[in-house]
Amino acid sequence: EAAVTQSPRNKVTVTGGNVTLSCRQTNSHNYMYWYRQDTGHGLRLIHYSYGAGNLQIGDVPDGYKATRTTQEDFFLLLELASPSQTSLYFCASSDGGGLEQYFGPGTRLTVL
Amino acid sequence: GQQVQQSPASLVLQEGENAELQCNFSSTATQLQWFYQSPGGSLVSLLSNPSGTKHTGRLTSTTVTKERRSSLHISSSQTTDSGTYLCAIDSNSAGNKLTFGIGTRVLVRP
Repeated sequence: EAAVTQSPRNKVTVTGGNVTLSCRQTNSHNYMYWYRQDTGHGLRLIHYSYGAGNLQIGDVPDGYKATRTTQEDFFLLLELASPSQTSLYFCASSDGGGLEQYFGPGTRLTVL
Repeated sequence: GQQVQQSPASLVLQEGENAELQCNFSSTATQLQWFYQSPGGSLVSLLSNPSGTKHTGRLTSTTVTKERRSSLHISSSQTTDSGTYLCAIDSNSAGNKLTFGIGTRVLVRP
């Protein structure tokens, strides 16, 4: 069974704060993704990666950086958090090629 | 870009009733996944079904690729089926990115 874990599960920070969300997958998948989910929207893609050291821009990248340090680990960085980034964040992995994506449990971020 | 429309927006069932959820999309799908999202927010992949019919437990998904639509049939609903059902599509994009619908919220009453 595919395994994607995220930490922390919940995070509260203040406007202007620095936040790092972590994701690890143990599936040996090449692709990893960061999504955010907000009321009235489906999940929206922030950044994704083909492999260690690779980073691709998604559909809503503004205000976010990401880094893929290894095949297993993908980080989402908010360097100057804003209240508009309050959201539920999901990480996912896949082997690409139209194969299904496996999702982590989500991180609920609140920016005050 | 790709658009995914789900209907109905919400649904109330009496336990034991069946339900059919719809997903329509604007471009040909090379991958289609149905997800269940619990009231607490966790996301579970139910079925991967870019074409044809697939079953798992009480769930049946039918995707008609040419007509750009998919359905998810829930039979003999249970209160634990309550939550939001999401449809997501990949249109052979670079990076195999998924585009999600907003979902159908299902409430099953005892």
